[in-house]
Amino acid sequence: QKEVEQNSGPLSVPEGAIASLNCTYSDRGSQSFFWYRQYSGKSPELIMSIYSNGDKEDGRFTAQLNKASQYVSLLIRDSQPSDSATYLCAVNVDDKIIFGKGTRLHILP
Amino acid sequence: DAGVTQSPTHLIKTRGQQVTLRCSPKSGHDTVSWYQQALGQGPQFIFQYYEEEERQRGNFPDRFSGHQFPNYSSELNVNALLLGDSALYLCASSKDLYQPQHFGDGTRLSIL
Repeated sequence: QKEVEQNSGPLSVPEGAIASLNCTYSDRGSQSFFWYRQYSGKSPELIMSIYSNGDKEDGRFTAQLNKASQYVSLLIRDSQPSDSATYLCAVNVDDKIIFGKGTRLHILP
Repeated sequence: DAGVTQSPTHLIKTRGQQVTLRCSPKSGHDTVSWYQQALGQGPQFIFQYYEEEERQRGNFPDRFSGHQFPNYSSELNVNALLLGDSALYLCASSKDLYQPQHFGDGTRLSIL
C-alpha cells in the first residue's frame, strides 16, 4: 500500500529556532506535495504546496522536495509559540491526496 | 469569498443509525473529497467526487456512500453506524486533482 510517513513527535523546538519537519512517501509517481497545519480541534490549513525538486520559500516557511529520495520537508524559521500545532504532509497518490499521520510540534517559550 | 462550508458541526447518533453530512465547496472549486480523521491520526481518504461522479475511493466499506450535485455541493452518507465511525469528518475542495485542497471546519460525529 502506498504510504506517506511522518515522525509523530512531539518535536520540541525553542522559540526563535528553526523547526525541521520531515516526510517520506512511497509512490515514485507522485507529483504534488502539500504541507498543512492543524491546531487541536480545528481543520487542516494549507501552508504550502510544492511540485518541483528544490526549495520553495514563503515567509518563514520553506518546503524542500527531493523526488529521487522520495523526501519532502518543511522548515520553519524564527519559530513562534503560535507555530505549535500538528503538521500534516500530503501527497497525491493515484489521483487522490493521501495524508501522513502528522508531526506534533511544540515551540518552547 | 465563502470557503468550504460543512453541516452540521456536531452530531450524536447511536449504533445502527444512518447519517448524512453536507458540504459546499469553495467558490470556483468543482472537486470535492471526504476524509475521516480519528483522534491523533491523519485524515483518511474516503472518496472524491468530480462532475457528479465518484472518481476515487479509499479503503472504506460500502456503508460509506456519497453524492455530488450539479452545483458541486456534496453529501456523505454512512449507514449502519458503528462505534468506530466516531471521528471528525472533513470535506475538502479543489480546482482539480493536483491543486491544493481547502478544508471545511468538519463535522464531529459521535456514536453512542
